[in-house]
Amino acid sequence: RKEVEQDPGPFNVPEGATVAFNCTYSNSASQSFFWYRQDCRKEPKLLMSVYSSGNEDGRFTAQLNRASQYISLLIRDSKLSDSATYLCVVIPIYNFNKFYFGSGTKLNVKP
Amino acid sequence: NAGVTQTPKFQVLKTGQSMTLQCAQDMNHNSMYWYRQDPGMGLRLIYYSASEGTTDKGEVPNGYNVSRLNKREFSLRLESAAPSQTSVYFCASSAGLARGNEQFFGPGTRLTVL
Repeated sequence: RKEVEQDPGPFNVPEGATVAFNCTYSNSASQSFFWYRQDCRKEPKLLMSVYSSGNEDGRFTAQLNRASQYISLLIRDSKLSDSATYLCVVIPIYNFNKFYFGSGTKLNVKP
Repeated sequence: NAGVTQTPKFQVLKTGQSMTLQCAQDMNHNSMYWYRQDPGMGLRLIYYSASEGTTDKGEVPNGYNVSRLNKREFSLRLESAAPSQTSVYFCASSAGLARGNEQFFGPGTRLTVL
């Protein structure tokens, strides 16, 4: 079983739409969570950390549900520039150097 | 600051050849990492180095060796390349938990093994 699972998509949405992705993780002893963004043929870049209380950064909201072992990313008022692959990352409590990446969810925002 | 740099950007090898992928960071980070990314698989950790002088295995270390040459540089070596090692390789560095544990990635090396 994979440590982290994501719906690969693609999610095709019009500009201005709200879109949400989920990511499930298998290890209940996970301590840290992140969303990274990866543009086509580029390196991943940190989008935001995911805190237990949830957090918001502009149009982006991330939430953690420990009971059901998933994290979510909500994007409001989608822009063309949001088109990318979004990678979920989970780090276990026993080793903060071991990042487990999901395979990513592809988002296409259409004009 | 250049951030994380990787060389080469592209490489084609024949089965059985060896090569070393180079990585350097100028952010004074303690931790460095090597990942491979395959279609539909996400990034998988090959090796990491939590500090200068230490290295540890990740999820998929077989067929690879690493060297943490100094604080700045972390190289990945393929001793006898196999077609299964065709992938995109990313190096990353991090300042660790004290700085939010964000990883900064290099631009990647696209390796094809024939």
